[in-house]
Amino acid sequence: EAGVAQSPRYKIIEKRQSVAFWCNPISGHATLYWYQQILGQGPKLLIQFQNNGVVDDSQLPKDRFSAERLKGVDSTLKIQPAKLEDSAVYLCASSPGTNQQYFGPGTRLTVT
Amino acid sequence: QKEVEQNSGPLSVPEGAIASLNCTYSDRGSQSFFWYRQYSGKSPELIMFIYSNGDKEDGRFTAQLNKASQYVSLLIRDSQPSDSATYLCAVSSIQGAQKLVFGQGTRLTINP
Repeated sequence: EAGVAQSPRYKIIEKRQSVAFWCNPISGHATLYWYQQILGQGPKLLIQFQNNGVVDDSQLPKDRFSAERLKGVDSTLKIQPAKLEDSAVYLCASSPGTNQQYFGPGTRLTVT
Repeated sequence: QKEVEQNSGPLSVPEGAIASLNCTYSDRGSQSFFWYRQYSGKSPELIMFIYSNGDKEDGRFTAQLNKASQYVSLLIRDSQPSDSATYLCAVSSIQGAQKLVFGQGTRLTINP
């Protein structure tokens, strides 16, 4: 069974630029999550999708972050404009409908 | 008060000894508890989960849960250098379906 796929793996941008991350969950997993993990901290949930609907986006900075999951499969997370404090690893995870989540390799974002 | 608290370490344990990792949580209604292992530069990997008070054993790993004390721990017996990683405690919140709140992680080093 293929795992969660993410791209790109690394991205370096200047502040005020925009960036987008892509995630393809494990086949059949209805729930998809985006996390932000700052160095030395645990993952922080940004947004949770159930199929193509948003379940929880309470910690998503909506003035600059947006996410969508069209057709209930792939998802994209966008940051526009980026700030220095957005430098982090962005992790995508999926779940088959239990509390067990499976993480992708992450995208390491550096904002300069 | 953080929702999920862990000692960030580093925790240094000699090879072959028992490593003990601890986690406390603030939401008394939490139902599910998870331990993830994260190697440097990699994504979190689920190693144990526990739902009921008491102990749960899986190979060299034992998870312990005490809901009255709001405390969960992970014991690693016969520690190996390959166990050196950051261990993340995660708790399922009752506020959102299948939502995990992570602690900041404990960095464990096993010394040969």
